[in-house]
Amino acid sequence: DADVTQTPRNRITKTGKRIMLECSQTKGHDRMYWYRQDPGLGLRLIYYSFDVKDINKGEISDGYSVSRQAQAKFSLSLESAIPNQTALYFCATSDQTGAYNEQFFGPGTRLTVL
Amino acid sequence: GEDVEQSLFLSVREGDSSVINCTYTDSSSTYLYWYKQEPGAGLQLLTYIFSNMDMKQDQRLTVLLNKKDKHLSLRIADTQTGDSAIYFCAESRTGFQKLVFGTGTRLLVSP
Repeated sequence: DADVTQTPRNRITKTGKRIMLECSQTKGHDRMYWYRQDPGLGLRLIYYSFDVKDINKGEISDGYSVSRQAQAKFSLSLESAIPNQTALYFCATSDQTGAYNEQFFGPGTRLTVL
Repeated sequence: GEDVEQSLFLSVREGDSSVINCTYTDSSSTYLYWYKQEPGAGLQLLTYIFSNMDMKQDQRLTVLLNKKDKHLSLRIADTQTGDSAIYFCAESRTGFQKLVFGTGTRLLVSP
């Protein structure tokens, strides 16, 4: 079984719809992250969480919100989807200690907003 | 600032060596990483190097770090078609809770 899972894997939606992307992990890590990937732009951090009570904005949080329901679950919501939110979304986890920050990624969710 | 830059594309023939380059701006980077993303999959850590090292070798992979020029490279010896993927460099540092990724380099290996 995969350590970091994401659902759905693919989603097509319309402008203005509310969308939730879910991430679950069995690695027992406290830290979880949401990124989006766009061609030529690499990965950009949307939100991150260091434990259930700790949520932090990343570099591109506008238009997104998150919920850390449990240590193992971190969901990303688009309250009112727009076409420029079409991208590949990744969830990641880590148990960063000190400066070393290896992150473990889910398989991604491909979101298309029409 | 925290910019990490890579060239977008590299094409090589099977059996040749591949060299993927990365430049970063923050001199306080403590660890630098290379991640590999295969088609339809998430990123996986390939290798990393601590900032007090100049070189790290791991089987077919050689990582070179030039701190003075803030330049990181990944050399893949005897490149195979299975090495075709997107390669991301990334950096982290003490007291900074995020991993900063480069733009990614798509490596295409032709037979």
